[in-house]
Amino acid sequence: DTEVTQTPKHLVMGMTNKKSLKCEQHMGHRAMYWYKQKAKKPPELMFVYSYEKLSINESVPSRFSPECPNSSLLNLHLHALQPEDSALYLCASSQIAFPRLAPSGTQYFGPGTRLLVL
Amino acid sequence: GIQVEQSPPDLILQEGANSTLRCNFSDSVNNLQWFHQNPWGQLINLFYIPSGTKQNGRLSATTVATERYSLLYISSSQTTDSGVYFCAVTSSGTYKYIFGTGTRLKVLA
Repeated sequence: DTEVTQTPKHLVMGMTNKKSLKCEQHMGHRAMYWYKQKAKKPPELMFVYSYEKLSINESVPSRFSPECPNSSLLNLHLHALQPEDSALYLCASSQIAFPRLAPSGTQYFGPGTRLLVL
Repeated sequence: GIQVEQSPPDLILQEGANSTLRCNFSDSVNNLQWFHQNPWGQLINLFYIPSGTKQNGRLSATTVATERYSLLYISSSQTTDSGVYFCAVTSSGTYKYIFGTGTRLKVLA
């Protein structure tokens, strides 16, 4: 099974709301990623978790809060977002190569969550 | 950091035509993938190809790592091939995938 699932598919939220995006994979991958993609642009990395620990934060505002409760699950908690945060949010996973814990092999993406902030 | 550029940025084809998409990168790479992003936003894996040549049906890809480029060939294009094609790489100095600028392909019936 090479599937990454994401919920919800669509989300509309106000600037005072709190919501969460969820991502799950069962490929045994130990690296999981959150990307943000604006229209007509490539995906931009937000966070990387390696072995359930946050290894990369691309200077993302604190209104985005990632969480990796176990090796199969990745959450992105959203609070007090701005309209410019409206985008497609993509989750991905991959293997990791020792000893440097760099990404290794194919990266698999979920279908994404389309977020609209009003 | 590593720079990844794709060409052409936009491409319009008639159904049945062939095309070549190019991905240039500025440093040596450990991983290289080609993706097709469909109109619904799903990123579909096409190839994992840090070096060498692979084929899958009407699609094939070649990466010449020593010359820092990769090519994606689409033969006998179909309307369902429309979308955006991205290459993504990791280099030895980074722990993350860097996406190229993308090629937007439209195949006309």
